[in-house]
Amino acid sequence: QVQLQESGPGLVKPSETLSLTCNVSGGSISSDFWSWIRQSPGKGLEWIGYIFYSGSTHYNPSLAGRVAISVDTSRTQFSLHLSFLTPADTAVYYCARSPQRDFLYFDNWGRGTLVTVSS
Amino acid sequence: SYVLTQPPSVSVAPGQTASITCGGNNSGGKSVHWYQQKPGQAPVLVVYDESDRPSGIPERFSGSHSGHTATLTISRVEAGDEADYYCQVWDSRTNNYLFGPGTQVTVL
Repeated sequence: QVQLQESGPGLVKPSETLSLTCNVSGGSISSDFWSWIRQSPGKGLEWIGYIFYSGSTHYNPSLAGRVAISVDTSRTQFSLHLSFLTPADTAVYYCARSPQRDFLYFDNWGRGTLVTVSS
Repeated sequence: SYVLTQPPSVSVAPGQTASITCGGNNSGGKSVHWYQQKPGQAPVLVVYDESDRPSGIPERFSGSHSGHTATLTISRVEAGDEADYYCQVWDSRTNNYLFGPGTQVTVL
């Protein structure tokens, strides 16, 4: 059973860049689609973007220009970089998997990590 | 742009049936998926591809789709089913994943 675990800073300052890492264990990262999804306090879910194991990416247009996702298959992890942060970026950030055979949904999620943007 | 709508809340007595709808403002044909999220936890996939269940999800959870509306049905509701439920689609026109606003299910 694949397990995902997010890690990164819990507090970042406005205008800085957030960097989060998702460690994948119990399975291979060299297949499937790997996404970042966030949830602002008391709000719904927003997909940020995905990376395919080959390195190809696609991002939510609402965040395009500020987001980059990379993968390190040798270390079985992928990362999120979100720049020019504002307090509106405060959220719980989840990493999740979409199976390659049917990439339309997320069948495995990390526990999430709370990121607060504040000076 | 494609928008999903869900009722903000649904209340149901234990042992009864809860139905949660998910409507789209565009043409149908999009496969709908459902997630359960309990307070302080990550979402869990409970139904995918309209009506399939991942292993470990009870048969009490079922999905259906008619026209522009998908429905998640929870039969014989238990106290442990109290949670927020989100529908989700893949919008092939924009290559984006979209989530509905969520429905809070309260077990009376």
